[in-house]
Amino acid sequence: DSGVTQTPKHLITATGQRVTLRCSPRSGDLSVYWYQQSLDQGLQFLIQYYNGEERAKGNILERFSAQQFPDLHSELNLSSLELGDSALYFCASSLTGQLDGYTFGSGTRLTVV
Amino acid sequence: GEDVEQSLFLSVREGDSSVINCTYTDSSSTYLYWYKQEPGAGLQLLTYIFSNMDMKQDQRLTVLLNKKDKHLSLRIADTQTGDSAIYFCAESEYSGGGADGLTFGKGTHLIIQP
Repeated sequence: DSGVTQTPKHLITATGQRVTLRCSPRSGDLSVYWYQQSLDQGLQFLIQYYNGEERAKGNILERFSAQQFPDLHSELNLSSLELGDSALYFCASSLTGQLDGYTFGSGTRLTVV
Repeated sequence: GEDVEQSLFLSVREGDSSVINCTYTDSSSTYLYWYKQEPGAGLQLLTYIFSNMDMKQDQRLTVLLNKKDKHLSLRIADTQTGDSAIYFCAESEYSGGGADGLTFGKGTHLIIQP
C-alpha cells in the first residue's frame, strides 16, 4: 500500500456521461498530481494541485477539471466522455515534489463504451 | 517541448545484468527518475538522480547520467524473475511556484528469460 488511495478502482460508463475520480494523498503530502495512461499516449501529466491551489497544467482537455479540497483530497471530473478517454488515471502525491519524489496510487481504470 | 525516449522491450536471461536506456531532450531537467510498474499496479519509484550527479548506486540498481548526451541508464544487477515489469524513465523540470509535473517515456518492458 503506497498510502495514496484512489477510488473507484474500475469504472465503466457510456459515451457522453460524466464521472468523478477521487484521490486521497499520502498523509502529510500537500501536492496532488493527476496522470492519464493510455496505450497510444503513454503516461501524460494532466494537472497538479498544491494545498488547494492549481499549480501546473499539462495535457488536460477542457472537458476535464479537477480540484483539491481543504482536507487535501482531490477529485478529477471527466465530462462528455468519449471512447478515447478510456485509460488508467493515476493520482500521485508529494510533500516537496522533486526532492522526495512522487508516490502513485494504484489507479482508476476507466472504460467508456 | 519536452520528450523522453525509451526502447519498448528488453529481454535478458535470469542472473544477467539488465541495462535500460533513456534519452531526454529538456536540458533544464533537474531530476530524473526511474519508476517500475508491475501488471495491474501503480508506479513504484525505484530511484532518482539529480542532474548534477553522474552516478547513483542503490543495492542492485545503478543509475548513470550523461548530461552532455542527455542519456540516462538503469542497470539492474543479477536480474530476477521478480524484476519483470515495465520501467519508466521520467524527468522533472522545476519551473518555479512549485509546479513540477513529470514527463514520462513510453516505458521499457523488461522480459526475463529462464
